[in-house]
This record gives sequence, C-alpha cells and structure tokens, in this order.
Amino acid sequence: EIVLTQSPGTLSLSPGERATLSCRASQSVTSTYLAWYQQKPGQAPRLLIYGASSRATGIPDRFSGSGSGTDFTLTISRLEPEDFAVYYCQQYGSSLWTFGQGTRVEIK
Amino acid sequence: QVQLVESGGGVVQPGRSLRLSCEVSGFTFSTYGMHWVRQAPGKGLEWVAVLSYDGGKKYYADSVKGRFTISRDNSKNTLYLQMNSLRAEDTAVYHCAKWGISRTFDIWGQGTMVTVSS
Repeated sequence: EIVLTQSPGTLSLSPGERATLSCRASQSVTSTYLAWYQQKPGQAPRLLIYGASSRATGIPDRFSGSGSGTDFTLTISRLEPEDFAVYYCQQYGSSLWTFGQGTRVEIK
Repeated sequence: QVQLVESGGGVVQPGRSLRLSCEVSGFTFSTYGMHWVRQAPGKGLEWVAVLSYDGGKKYYADSVKGRFTISRDNSKNTLYLQMNSLRAEDTAVYHCAKWGISRTFDIWGQGTMVTVSS
C-alpha cells in the first residue's frame, strides 16, 4: 500500500499570501491518479485537482497542482478568506485508494 | 442537481451490525462506480470500499475486509454498506462518493455518523 505523507501539518498564512502544500508518496505514483481535495469544517470534501495538475470543474485558477513520481505540490497563488481549510492528497493504485493525513491552512 | 444522501447511522454496541444507505439523484447511478469513505472524529479521510457500476467488482480496505459488504440496487438508485462485527475504531462519519475522473471521488454526500460504543 502506498503511504502519502503531507507537509506541513499546519500552515499559518495571511489572506493574499501564497500557500505551498506538499504530498510525498512512499513509492512512485502514476500522476494520472493523484488528486487534491479541500474540506471545510462540517462539510464534505471537494475535489480540486485531478491527474496531479488538472483543475476540477468550477475550481478557481489560483489553485494549481504539480509534481510527479513521489513528490507532488498543491499551490494556492493568493489565499482568499474562503481558502482556509484542510487539504488532502489522494492516490489510486492496485485497486486501493489512499489519502494523506491532511494539511490545515489557517489564518495567521 | 446531483445529490447523495446517506442514512442509517447511529450508536451501536461493539460486535453488532449496521447497514448504511446512500440514495442518489441527479445522475445516471447505474453507470458509475461508487465508494464509501469514512472520517473518524477529528481525523483524516480513509477509503473504505468501492463497487463497480454493475456490482460485479468490489474492493475493500484491509481494515474492513471480511466485516463490511458494499452493494447496490440500481433500480432504487441506492448504495449500501453492511457493517458487521463493529469495533470502536469504526466510529466515524461515513460518506458515499461517486467514482470520478482519474479514479477520484468527484461528488460526495454529507455523511452519516456511526458510533460504536458500549
């Protein structure tokens, strides 16, 4: 089973700043099957990025994904107030799906 | 409007059973695989199980294999999760989610809470 490790655990930033979130896999992940989600308190997760770098429908272009192999990054270019939330990476391989433990982006 | 609505959660004693349901509307249920994903209180997301569009293929996380069974009734647009031999560590909000592009979870329900406690 591929383990995804996200860092940092918590990111404290101000609105307007750039956020860079990391997701590292224990073994190589097919980029096609690497995704990112946003979750706000009391809400279900929302798909942001699929295929490592493609934005899902309706996702603003301030969200971008990159990476390959074992290292992937989610970047939020300029944080808006509604972006403060928990972010999860997710991968698929060998009929199993796994998530990272999450990165909380909080207001500084 | 796409909607996934879970039900069936509650408080149950260790070792007992519970069946969750997920009623779907707004898309052609019978043409999509469906998942269950859970989230323990204050914790991250854990994939539980997946079922193909026709019910022919199913896969489970090791943590629930042999205890949980995923199934569907395409005539009722409903997904199920039969949970047997429940343990305290199964306590979580259980979400159903639609199979999405590139093996993602593209639509989620709000979830139903399952608490396993004596």
